[in-house]
Amino acid sequence: GAGVSQSPSNKVTEKGKDVELRCDPISGHTALYWYRQSLGQGLEFLIYFQGNSAPDKSGLPSDRFSAERTGGSVSTLTIQRTQQEDSAVYLCATGRPLQRSFYNEQFFGPGTRLTVL
Amino acid sequence: AQKVTQAQTEISVVEKEDVTLDCVYETRDTTYYLFWYKQPPSGELVFLIRRNSFDEQNEISGRYSWNFQKSTSSFNFTITASQVVDSAVYFCALSEAGQNAGGTSYGKLTFGQGTILTVHP
Repeated sequence: GAGVSQSPSNKVTEKGKDVELRCDPISGHTALYWYRQSLGQGLEFLIYFQGNSAPDKSGLPSDRFSAERTGGSVSTLTIQRTQQEDSAVYLCATGRPLQRSFYNEQFFGPGTRLTVL
Repeated sequence: AQKVTQAQTEISVVEKEDVTLDCVYETRDTTYYLFWYKQPPSGELVFLIRRNSFDEQNEISGRYSWNFQKSTSSFNFTITASQVVDSAVYFCALSEAGQNAGGTSYGKLTFGQGTILTVHP
């Protein structure tokens, strides 16, 4: 079956512009995570969705970052007024519903490489 | 707070050598999961293994083996007879049950900084 897909694969934008990054999960995966991979910070968690709600937004670095998920499927990460420090690879991961053991295996997409000039 | 440390930033070996990637973690939860992921040059993170905190048995899968020791909070990864195709960035990660947070951590992963492994022919 199809894996997690993300679009665009690459995005170059000018400082101050808004960008939208999209994630299409594996069918049936209700858990969805956004991570960011940057040279200075490594791989860091941004936000978690269970269905359409986001019970954990603790990793969003500023109020310029927001995300939504509709229909329990596609998610969009929006960065407003982009800054150069937002340059990174943004990774989406999805998984099956959480079990009692608070665990689910995450399957990662190929990422979107964002470059802010 | 949880933390994962991969002290080796880069490792370079010649094909057929054995190589061990170190991972040390910190957590106050008694229930947690440990993972290793591989990130080849293509960029996509590939799941290799998960271990829960109650299972300290070592595991072997082909040329890969993992040594989990709670006493030293380590979860090391060994590649035997390395091959050029093993060249990648390897990440160790931790997922807490979130008991100390009063609920759940929702399975989010805390990653180490990664180890760049280069295997030369």
